[in-house]
Amino acid sequence: EAGVTQFPSHSVIEKGQTVTLRCDPISGHDNLYWYRRVMGKEIKFLLHFVKESKQDESGMPNNRFLAERTGGTYSTLKVQPAELEDSGVYFCASSQLYNTEAFFGQGTRLTVV
Amino acid sequence: SQQGEEDPQALSIQEGENATMNCSYKTSINNLQWYRQNSGRGLVHLILIRSNEREKHSGRLRVTLDTSKKSSSLLITASRAADTASYFCATAPTSGTYKYIFGTGTRLKVLA
Repeated sequence: EAGVTQFPSHSVIEKGQTVTLRCDPISGHDNLYWYRRVMGKEIKFLLHFVKESKQDESGMPNNRFLAERTGGTYSTLKVQPAELEDSGVYFCASSQLYNTEAFFGQGTRLTVV
Repeated sequence: SQQGEEDPQALSIQEGENATMNCSYKTSINNLQWYRQNSGRGLVHLILIRSNEREKHSGRLRVTLDTSKKSSSLLITASRAADTASYFCATAPTSGTYKYIFGTGTRLKVLA
């Protein structure tokens, strides 16, 4: 069974540009989460989908970040326009139920220059 | 402050020794999960312990949970150089949110 996959693994973009990160959760997992780790600090929650619905987006930093999960399968996280402080590693995770194991992808390392 | 806080922040041991990391949290939880991150790569799921469990084992890993003290510990026995990584706990609160909340992590270095 494939794990959580994220694409791209690395992205270097200039300030002001747009970047879209993609996450493919484990098949059958209704719960999908986005997290990020900035500058080696703590891993912070961004948002949570249940199927295609946003259950909690309280961690989204500002309106430059837009997450979607059309059809309840894969999810995208778009940053537009990117700022320097958006640099970090963006993780996606999925779980079958809330109270079960959450499996993470390899992350996307975003560098904004 | 952060729901989960690990201590120590950093730990350096010799290969073959045991490593113990602790995680404290603030609110009631459904479960607590431990993860490993190698060299900035992805988070690898290690073990999940539910609030009604006190101890779980998986290979060289032993996790305990004390809900009265709101704390958990991760013990790695007979450590290997390959165990060098950052270790995080993540809690699933019982109410108010359906997100997992991460601790600050413990950086473990196992010297060969």
